[in-house]
Amino acid sequence: AQSVTQLDSQVPVFEEAPVELRCNYSSSVSVYLFWYVQYPNQGLQLLLKYLSGSTLVKGINGFEAEFNKSQTSFHLRKPSVHISDTAEYFCAVRRSYNTDKLIFGTGTRLQVFP
Amino acid sequence: DSGVTQTPKHLITATGQRVTLRCSPRSGDLSVYWYQQSLDQGLQFLIHYYNGEERAKGNILERFSAQQFPDLHSELNLSSLELGDSALYFCASREREGQETQYFGPGTRLLVL
Repeated sequence: AQSVTQLDSQVPVFEEAPVELRCNYSSSVSVYLFWYVQYPNQGLQLLLKYLSGSTLVKGINGFEAEFNKSQTSFHLRKPSVHISDTAEYFCAVRRSYNTDKLIFGTGTRLQVFP
Repeated sequence: DSGVTQTPKHLITATGQRVTLRCSPRSGDLSVYWYQQSLDQGLQFLIHYYNGEERAKGNILERFSAQQFPDLHSELNLSSLELGDSALYFCASREREGQETQYFGPGTRLLVL
């Protein structure tokens, strides 16, 4: 079975500072990895995904993530955050075959302060 | 806007009641997934339909059921509601086999009093 651990439930940061949101996964099979963002009172929006190939993936809104197979991690980074990045961020994993469900982490609340 | 629509946006009901949540996937998408987001359980997969057929079940209670209709919209039926069923219910759609990305709707917020 697959599982996802988001190590930080909350990350406070000042505007224009860099940020890293950590995600570790566990799986005995090949997986795809995703980051979703949830703004207040909204649904989930895909930020980026890793399927194969280059381990550094770039997403929307200036976010990027690096897949590290040896450390089973998929940390999300942004070099300079904005107030508008305040949201809940979810890391998710699914098997790379079959029409499989997403397994989500518990989420990280990013709070950007002016 | 993901293209996935869900109705109603909010629902307030009493314990013991039954409700139906509706989801319309993106045009052409054959797969519909239902997820529940609650404070204590986080985001959990409930059930997956593909072109009208049930494909997978997750942590879905026996009081809950779902179906996908020929026009591909889906309904999630929740019965004998309990306080603990209060949550945000999302549906997501995906185009077809081999497509990796699920697109989420805005959710239905259910409050059971």
